[in-house]
Amino acid sequence: QKEVEQNSGPLSVPEGAIASLNCTYSDRGSQSFFWYRQYSGKSPELIMFIYSNGDKEDGRFTAQLNKASQYVSLLIRDSQPSDSATYLCAVKVDKYGNKLVFGAGTILRVKS
Amino acid sequence: GAVVSQHPSRVICKSGTSVKIECRSLDFQATTMFWYRQFPKQSLMLMATSNEGSKATYEQGVEKDKFLINHASLTLSTLTVTSAHPEDSSFYICSASTGNSGNTIYFGEGSWLTVV
Repeated sequence: QKEVEQNSGPLSVPEGAIASLNCTYSDRGSQSFFWYRQYSGKSPELIMFIYSNGDKEDGRFTAQLNKASQYVSLLIRDSQPSDSATYLCAVKVDKYGNKLVFGAGTILRVKS
Repeated sequence: GAVVSQHPSRVICKSGTSVKIECRSLDFQATTMFWYRQFPKQSLMLMATSNEGSKATYEQGVEKDKFLINHASLTLSTLTVTSAHPEDSSFYICSASTGNSGNTIYFGEGSWLTVV
């Protein structure tokens, strides 16, 4: 079992819709969870991070964490074509120190 | 957010030569930096963890003699690809931890290496 799993997609949503991206992780010792966006040929950029169970909102983005079920999700409201990218879920696992374990990423396509 | 800068952004080198990539944390001190490699349409692969003032920790399968990492200061880590071959052509990305309570990790812009 991979430590961090994401559906590779592509996930296609119409412009203005809500895009829901999901990520599961295997290590219950995981403490910190990150969502990165990566455009083709570019470096990942941090969207948001979450540490506590529940929701965390930042603009059009909402991260949701459920440690009991070991999943973290990212909701993008009012999706725009510019949101089309690969979204990487990353988990910081205590046993690896400060190292992030990345999922393979989900391709999101927002169609206008 | 914190700024991590990489240089060069693109480099072409001849097979058999060495190339150095720099990673700088511009507005914070990073005791730990990470080096990743990403092939087209694949996810990030952690190569090594760079610790200031000590030897880097390499992931399994990564040749430490081929990918030399130096973290001489709290703001600079370098990756040198030695005796480069065409199969080393890839996107190399560094990241650094802010080290604050959030321990958020930010990425550099990445460096495209093409070995011809």
